[in-house]
This record gives sequence, structure tokens and C-alpha cells, in this order.
Amino acid sequence: DAGVIQSPRHEVTEMGQEVTLRCKPISGHNSLFWYRQTMMRGLELLIYFNNNVPIDDSGMPEDRFSAKMPNASFSTLKIQPSEPRDSAVYFCASNLAGSWNQPQHFGDGTRLSIL
Amino acid sequence: SQQGEEDPQALSIQEGENATMNCSYKTSINNLQWYRQNSGRGLVHLILIRSNEREKHSGRLRVTLDTSKKSSSLLITASRAADTASYFCATDGGSYIPTFGRGTSLIVHP
Repeated sequence: DAGVIQSPRHEVTEMGQEVTLRCKPISGHNSLFWYRQTMMRGLELLIYFNNNVPIDDSGMPEDRFSAKMPNASFSTLKIQPSEPRDSAVYFCASNLAGSWNQPQHFGDGTRLSIL
Repeated sequence: SQQGEEDPQALSIQEGENATMNCSYKTSINNLQWYRQNSGRGLVHLILIRSNEREKHSGRLRVTLDTSKKSSSLLITASRAADTASYFCATDGGSYIPTFGRGTSLIVHP
């Protein structure tokens, strides 16, 4: 079975540019999570969706960040404008049943570098 | 803020030895999970232990949970070089929203 698929795997761009990260969850999963991982702050939950609806976005750092889930098989995380402090590895994860009691399945992440 | 914190931050052992990692958390939980992350990859779920369970096994993995001390441990027996990875605990703080610790970096020398 295909796991969670994220693209791109690596992104290098200059500050001020718009960055769009993409995620395809596992088919049949109805919850999707976006995380950011840095050495300083560890793994932070940014936002999660249940049945394509954003449930909790309290982890989104600021208005420059936005996330959408137009359908059950696709989600985007957008940063506009990007800043060097946004450099991190961004992970998408999905699971079933809308509860974190089910194991989360992670993609391999997007390594983002903002110059 | 971090709900679960792993200890030690780094662990280096020889192949065949046992590796023990600990996780402490601050508030009551429903469940606690352990994940592994290989370099450059996403996290992989290892084991989930519910708040009413005290011990759980999966292959060479043994997880214990002490809710009175708000702590959990992950034991990997007879470690292998392939076990080299970072290990994270995830707790829900009773809210069903997972919070991950900073992880323990395990190196197993062949």
C-alpha cells in the first residue's frame, strides 16, 4: 500500500517567496496532520483536519501560514511570504477514525530551506 | 510546550546490548505512543499503550507505563545496528491532540 506522499522532498527558495507543500494521505484515512520539526523546538503540530475540515489550527505560527484540504486525498500547506526562520522539515501524517488513538502514518517530509 | 520529554537525549551502545529510553509527561493522558524516526525519514509508529495498561510487548520492544509517576519506558532488547534511529514518545494530555517529545537519539555500534 502507498503510504503518505509528500512533495517536494526538498525545497530551497529565497525569503519572500511563496512556498507550497503538498500531501496525499493514505486512502481511507479521514484525519490529516501537518507538523514542523526543528532542532530547537522538536516536532510541533501545526494544524489537523478531520473529514477535510480544519479542527485545530492553534499551532500555526502566524498569518503567513495557511493550510487547505480541498478533498480527502489532498492537502496543502502554504507559506507566504517565507522567512529564513521557516526553515525546517515539514511532515504530513494521516490516520483513521478522527482520533489520535489510532497510529499516525507519516510521510517522509519536505526539507525546506529559506535563504 | 512539550508534554512528553525523552531521556536520555542520546544513547550509544554496542550491538547485542539492551537500550532503555524514558519518557516523562506532565498531565494525565489517555494513551502514550512510541515512534521511531530513521535519518531523513518520517516517524514510524512502534507501539501504543493505554492509560489502564502497565506493560506491553511487541517483538524485541517492551513498553511500561507508570501513570502515578507520569512516566513510560521503552526497552529494546538485543539491539541491532538497524535500530539506530531517534525514538519519540507522544502523549495526548487528555485532549487527544498528540504532543511529541524531542526524542532520544540511539546509536547502535556493530
